[in-house]
Amino acid sequence: NAGVTQTPKFQVLKTGQSMTLQCAQDMNHNSMYWYRQDPGMGLRLIYYSASEGTTDKGEVPNGYNVSRLNKREFSLRLESAAPSQTSVYFCASSEYFAGGPYEQYFGPGTRLTVT
Amino acid sequence: AQSVSQHNHHVILSEAASLELGCNYSYGGTVNLFWYVQYPGQHLQLLLKYFSGDPLVKGIKGFEAEFIKSKFSFNLRKPSVQWSDTAEYFCAVKNQAGTALIFGKGTTLSVSS
Repeated sequence: NAGVTQTPKFQVLKTGQSMTLQCAQDMNHNSMYWYRQDPGMGLRLIYYSASEGTTDKGEVPNGYNVSRLNKREFSLRLESAAPSQTSVYFCASSEYFAGGPYEQYFGPGTRLTVT
Repeated sequence: AQSVSQHNHHVILSEAASLELGCNYSYGGTVNLFWYVQYPGQHLQLLLKYFSGDPLVKGIKGFEAEFIKSKFSFNLRKPSVQWSDTAEYFCAVKNQAGTALIFGKGTTLSVSS
């Protein structure tokens, strides 16, 4: 199993450009997540999808949109990139049960620079 | 708002020294607690987790953590660190809504050989 995969690994954008980060998991997990990681800030949740067909905002959703394409895939879109969105983006997935999310499995990350 | 506090931003140890990294969370209900590790240039990996039962949890690579409900704490420990433990460590807790995890800001551990 590949686990959680992300594309691309690296990306440089100019301010105002758009792009979509792709994420896929092969563990048949219901829930998927997008985080950004910035120095000294830890991981901050951007959006999550508790199950196929649902998406919800996390702590820092502004400037982003998501699509849960199917159970396997969860994409993150930057419509008009800004320098403040320079970050490392991680996708994660987990099983979900009535008591809450089980442990999350993370992808390798996408390092995005916006100039 | 719910939060997770990791008291140490950067810890520097020599090999064979003992390690304890602090983690406190603000939510007082039923908790699911996690410690993740991120080695340089890699993605996050689960070290250990606590859901219920024995408050002393053992994880991979000789790490353990103790859940102390009265102190809202879940500190990570290792009796003797190795150079290969150099990494960033994140504590996380299930959020109150039960929909996602909240991560602390991380502690960077540097181990010198």
